Amino acid sequence: GEDVEQSLFLSVREGDSSVINCTYTDSSSTYLYWYKQEPGAGLQLLTYIFSNMDMKQDQRLTVLLNKKDKHLSLRIADTQTGDSAIYFCAECSNTGGFKTIFGAGTRLFVKA
Amino acid sequence: GAVVSQHPSRVICKSGTSVKIECRSLDFQATTMFWYRQFPKQSLMLMATSNEGSKATYEQGVEKDKFLINHASLTLSTLTVTSAHPEDSSFYICSAKDRADQPQHFGDGTRLSIL
Repeated sequence: GEDVEQSLFLSVREGDSSVINCTYTDSSSTYLYWYKQEPGAGLQLLTYIFSNMDMKQDQRLTVLLNKKDKHLSLRIADTQTGDSAIYFCAECSNTGGFKTIFGAGTRLFVKA
Repeated sequence: GAVVSQHPSRVICKSGTSVKIECRSLDFQATTMFWYRQFPKQSLMLMATSNEGSKATYEQGVEKDKFLINHASLTLSTLTVTSAHPEDSSFYICSAKDRADQPQHFGDGTRLSIL
């Protein structure tokens, strides 16, 4: 079946940039999402990108999509301690009945 | 917009009790709702998908008689954990979307602890 993979852990210093990477297998992916989960809470949709886009920027967040390599990344500029959370990558394809496949999540730890 | 409310946020009850969790879409009509289970430091495990007015579709390995899902209206879905036991203790999260090509919006989750 379709799969989404991401590294499990990332540690950065406050003020640095964080880059969280994700790879997926479904070549017909239409939408790719980034969600943030803080401790004891649900998932918050951070941003998403359509498969016909290469990049999307929203304030401190930059999403890059390399469709050829099926690689998605989320860059957080000027990372703050409040950015510490689990970040989930997800993909959705119109050929799969729009079923959303989630990665295992990357735990971002920001050191002060 | 796109707010999903999940209630209760925390439940502690005795073994053998049935527990109902509600998931409401507050400002949109949720044609499809999803129920997930999340173990500590692990990813989301999709339990079932429900469309308004029809029976839920359960993922492999999820007991439909144990986890009853009702999606009676376009704004409300409920998950009932019947005769809960300690191994059912977990974090349950619902999500909803109004259209198939739209992202899922999540509730804040319910921490279920069975003693």
